[in-house]
Amino acid sequence: EVQLVQSGGGLVQPGGSLRLSCAASGFTFSNYNMNWVRQAPGKGLEWFSYISSSSSTIYYTDSVKGRFTISRDNAKNSLYLQMNSLRAEDTAVYYCARARGRGEGDYWGQGTLVTVSS
Amino acid sequence: EIVLTQSPGTLSLSPGERATLSCRASQSVSSSDLAWYQQKAGQAPRLLIYGSSSRATGIPDRFSGSGSGTDFTLTISRLEPEDFAVYYCQQYGSSPWTFGQGTNVEIK
Repeated sequence: EVQLVQSGGGLVQPGGSLRLSCAASGFTFSNYNMNWVRQAPGKGLEWFSYISSSSSTIYYTDSVKGRFTISRDNAKNSLYLQMNSLRAEDTAVYYCARARGRGEGDYWGQGTLVTVSS
Repeated sequence: EIVLTQSPGTLSLSPGERATLSCRASQSVSSSDLAWYQQKAGQAPRLLIYGSSSRATGIPDRFSGSGSGTDFTLTISRLEPEDFAVYYCQQYGSSPWTFGQGTNVEIK
């Protein structure tokens, strides 16, 4: 069974940092591209980062570029998101998603809430 | 950035009725790079359709997708009680990947 189990969310002050993890099981993680998607409270979905299976290609949306870093460790079957210089507008539920091809998420983590507030 | 506009914002229908959801792109999207998702409150999104018309694994055949260029459609042929949810389209052909704002399909 394909599973993506997320960890690392919580409350952080503006300007602070947080690292999210997404542990994969039930499939060959190194064969799949991965994405991060977030959803602010009561709002729609926002894609913001992509990493290819070998980490050779990485994309970010402009709003997180220079502040967030996506990475993966295929030996540990894990995807990561390092978030720095956090802002109130980064408050959201964060999802990791396996890409069926590139951008379409066919399996999703359970989501983790990140709250940026003083 | 490709902007996706979904209509209507809310669709009020009864079980058994047909639902037609629209997704319009600000510029042409390859048919192979358009997906639809269903999301229920408190849950992660669920992939329904990829490549504009291919059903994802385990998705019932009452869900179908069509379209090309800038106009795409998700059709639910006969609404079941479990189909009342929010639906999103997404393009993943041009970075940044983008989602529409969603269509809420609610019980009339």
